[in-house]
Amino acid sequence: AQTVTQSQPEMSVQEAETVTLSCTYDTSESDYYLFWYKQPPSRQMILVIRQEAYKQQNATENRFSVNFQKAAKSFSLKISDSQLGDAAMYFCAYSTASGTYKYIFGTGTRLKVLA
Amino acid sequence: DAGITQSPRHKVTETGTPVTLRCHQTENHRYMYWYRQDPGHGLRLIHYSYGVKDTDKGEVSDGYSVSRSKTEDFLLTLESATSSQTSVYFCAISERHPSYEQYFGPGTRLTVT
Repeated sequence: AQTVTQSQPEMSVQEAETVTLSCTYDTSESDYYLFWYKQPPSRQMILVIRQEAYKQQNATENRFSVNFQKAAKSFSLKISDSQLGDAAMYFCAYSTASGTYKYIFGTGTRLKVLA
Repeated sequence: DAGITQSPRHKVTETGTPVTLRCHQTENHRYMYWYRQDPGHGLRLIHYSYGVKDTDKGEVSDGYSVSRSKTEDFLLTLESATSSQTSVYFCAISERHPSYEQYFGPGTRLTVT
């Protein structure tokens, strides 16, 4: 069975600095998708970034980028130039690309941004 | 924003009573999911649907049932609510191709007393 692990329950970063959130996963499949979702205090889940496993190039979205290491089954999120609005829970998620189409979420990392 | 609504948004109920939560979408997405969110556990899948009348269990399905009689509605029923089912419940939809992204509803906070 697939699993997703976020080993950092909480992280802090100074405004304008860079922070990296860690995520590891376990799967026997070769084709899958990985996601980072943000959940601010409003509780709304927002997609931050998506990575297709078949792509070697790391995904980037403005200040957000990932370090995808397929062999190591690692998928970390880097936030550059952190802003107060980045404070939120961040969830790493895995999705199969075929079959049952289920998503597996990590337990989340709470990011605090210090002014 | 994807058109997903959940009702009710908040509910307090007593132990032993049945409760039904509704998820409604206007996106015509094939896949729909129910999750519960609890501190320290992230989001855990309760049930999901891959089409009208096609549903399957997730990792925490005991005590829950679902129904999907039409594309836009996915109902989650707690057959006899227990205090352990106090949680925030999220509905999500997905169309798989091309992005495989899930879109989430605003959540329902359920308290079982």
